[in-house]
Amino acid sequence: DAKTTQPPSMDCAEGRAANLPCNHSTISGNEYVYWYRQIHSQGPQYIIHGLKNNETNEMASLIITEDRKSSTLILPHATLRDTAVYYCIVAGNQGGKLIFGQGTELSVKP
Amino acid sequence: DTAVSQTPKYLVTQMGNDKSIKCEQNLGHDTMYWYKQDSKKFLKIMFSYNNKELIINETVPNRFSPKSPDKAHLNLHINSLELGDSAVYFCASSQERPSGRKETQYFGPGTRLLVL
Repeated sequence: DAKTTQPPSMDCAEGRAANLPCNHSTISGNEYVYWYRQIHSQGPQYIIHGLKNNETNEMASLIITEDRKSSTLILPHATLRDTAVYYCIVAGNQGGKLIFGQGTELSVKP
Repeated sequence: DTAVSQTPKYLVTQMGNDKSIKCEQNLGHDTMYWYKQDSKKFLKIMFSYNNKELIINETVPNRFSPKSPDKAHLNLHINSLELGDSAVYFCASSQERPSGRKETQYFGPGTRLLVL
């Protein structure tokens, strides 16, 4: 079973920031938080990951709370092409095993 | 310059047939995976290979057999296809980091299998 909880769906206006929350209260010390997304009919796409520090790359920012029990993925200026299912995954040294939950279906609207 | 490619993209076949799906990655990664996404959109890992050695084998029927001729290829052979095998199958690859982690995975476009 997935170790994360995410809202099933969210809406965001085009050009605004999309903030996607994730709860992972049972995360252990050596586990990372990963975010992937799946645009309709495509394979999942890696976005970002982090351990305890906040992270930023060209796609998004990841904010992890100090107790590491939750995190937020931020898409700073959402576009229509960001409409997708976003998966928050907790993973450690398990040979690369990713356990996908239901994710959050983000709809970016004009 | 596709990083992870799969063939075929679509596969329609009859129950009881045997079929194969091919996967190739040109990223130089040492680990490859097969995932299954069912009609309810749940994505679940089936297998992973590291340098041609099986390292993850989830509870998958014996009718499914992965084959890795080299570290750039991981094919999935399915015997005696059943209706419940209808799904989208994704291949992925990753590179093991010095720490042993390999969760940054790059996925292929998927193979849509329909068993009639």
